[in-house]
Amino acid sequence: QQQVKQSPQSLIVQKGGISIINCAYENTAFDYFPWYQQFPGKGPALLIAIRPDVSEKKEGRFTISFNKSAKQFSLHIMDSQPGDSATYFCAAIAAGNKLTFGGGTRVLVKP
Amino acid sequence: GAGVSQTPSNKVTEKGKYVELRCDPISGHTALYWYRQSLGQGPEFLIYFQGTGAADDSGLPNDRFFAVRPEGSVSTLKIQRTERGDSAVYLCASSFDRGGGYTFGSGTRLTVV
Repeated sequence: QQQVKQSPQSLIVQKGGISIINCAYENTAFDYFPWYQQFPGKGPALLIAIRPDVSEKKEGRFTISFNKSAKQFSLHIMDSQPGDSATYFCAAIAAGNKLTFGGGTRVLVKP
Repeated sequence: GAGVSQTPSNKVTEKGKYVELRCDPISGHTALYWYRQSLGQGPEFLIYFQGTGAADDSGLPNDRFFAVRPEGSVSTLKIQRTERGDSAVYLCASSFDRGGGYTFGSGTRLTVV
């Protein structure tokens, strides 16, 4: 059973555009929602995270929007740059235990 | 070290052989996690250590997989009688506590031929 569903699987955006990645979860016990960025040959790196008592969090060009009632959250990458080309994973944790990852989104930013 | 170190970075082994994968967490991190990532997929949880003990090993796929962390620092993931389906990138992560903010290593790419 996939507890965190992520979409789209891939997306292409022009430099300067907005990349939007969506995730939905089922387990209402999840209490921490991080996003990870992964480059080829590297491990995932924490990008930004949010807790369910906050509806939005912004760090630089990256923003998480969180909808607790819909059990959905999304990552927006503003002013996308070629260096943002990577695979992005949403994830969730329940009670400080193991991370459950979404399936990933491959983002390609065209110059 | 400054980050999570995993060795070897690549391992090719024959079907049926035994392999050991090593993880050196960030100094002082009490929590250590092993994940497996197949091509084009998100990492899947294998096992979680808090200190020396395995607090949750529910992700280990079968009894061919075993992990230890005898002194609460370095951990070794052991796979017996390897199968081609075990081919994947094995990721290790550590954190100060059971919460978020994991730091991942670059992984060990295991190929079983």
